[in-house]
Amino acid sequence: DAGVTQSPTHLIKTRGQHVTLRCSPISGHKSVSWYQQVLGQGPQFIFQYYEKEERGRGNFPDRFSARQFPNYSSELNVNALLLGDSALYLCASSFLGLPAGEQFFGPGTRLTVL
Amino acid sequence: SQELEQSPQSLIVQEGKNLTINCTSSKTLYGLYWYKQKYGEGLIFLMMLQKGGEEKSHEKITAKLDEKKQQSSLHITASQPSHAGIYLCGADGRQGAQKLVFGQGTRLTINP
Repeated sequence: DAGVTQSPTHLIKTRGQHVTLRCSPISGHKSVSWYQQVLGQGPQFIFQYYEKEERGRGNFPDRFSARQFPNYSSELNVNALLLGDSALYLCASSFLGLPAGEQFFGPGTRLTVL
Repeated sequence: SQELEQSPQSLIVQEGKNLTINCTSSKTLYGLYWYKQKYGEGLIFLMMLQKGGEEKSHEKITAKLDEKKQQSSLHITASQPSHAGIYLCGADGRQGAQKLVFGQGTRLTINP
C-alpha cells in the first residue's frame, strides 16, 4: 500500500510569491495534518483537517491556509512568502480519534525562499 | 503550552557504543512518541509510551517514560551506522486536534 505522498519534492520561490503544496493521505485515512520544520528544529503544527473541516490550527499567520478535498487529499497554501518560510513541510494522515502520535508522515516538501 | 526539551542536541559516538537521548516535558505527558528522521526526510515512528514507568524495546532501541510522566529517555545499545539520523520526541498536544508537539531533535552521528 502507498504511504502518504507529497508533491512537489523540492520547490524554490522568491519572496512575495505564492506556493501550493499537495498531500495525498493513506487510503482510508480521513484526517490530514500539516507541519513546518525549520532546519535544526522539530516540526511545528500548522493545521489539521478532517472531512474538509479545519479541526486545529497552530500559531501561524493568516498567510498560511489549507483545504481538504472530497477525496481527503489536501493543499497547503502560503501567500506573500518570506525568507523565514524556508522549511521542510510535512504532511501526516491518520484515522480520527487515535492518539496524535499514530499519524503517518509523508517525505515532505522542501521549500526554499530566496 | 507544552514544551519538550531534548538533550543532547547532537551526539557523536563510536560504532558499537551505547548512547542515551533525553526528552523532558514542561507538563505531564499523556502520550510520548519517539521518531527517527533521516536528514530532510519524513518521520519514522519508533515507539509510543503512555503509562508512567513504561518501557518498550525494539531491536537495540529501548524507550522509557518516568513514573511522573514528565521525562523520557531513548537508549541505543551497540550503536550501528544505520542508527544515524535525527531523533525527535513528540507529545500529544491535547487541544482538541491531533496535534503533536515536538522537541528540537537530537542529531546522532555514528563514527565507524
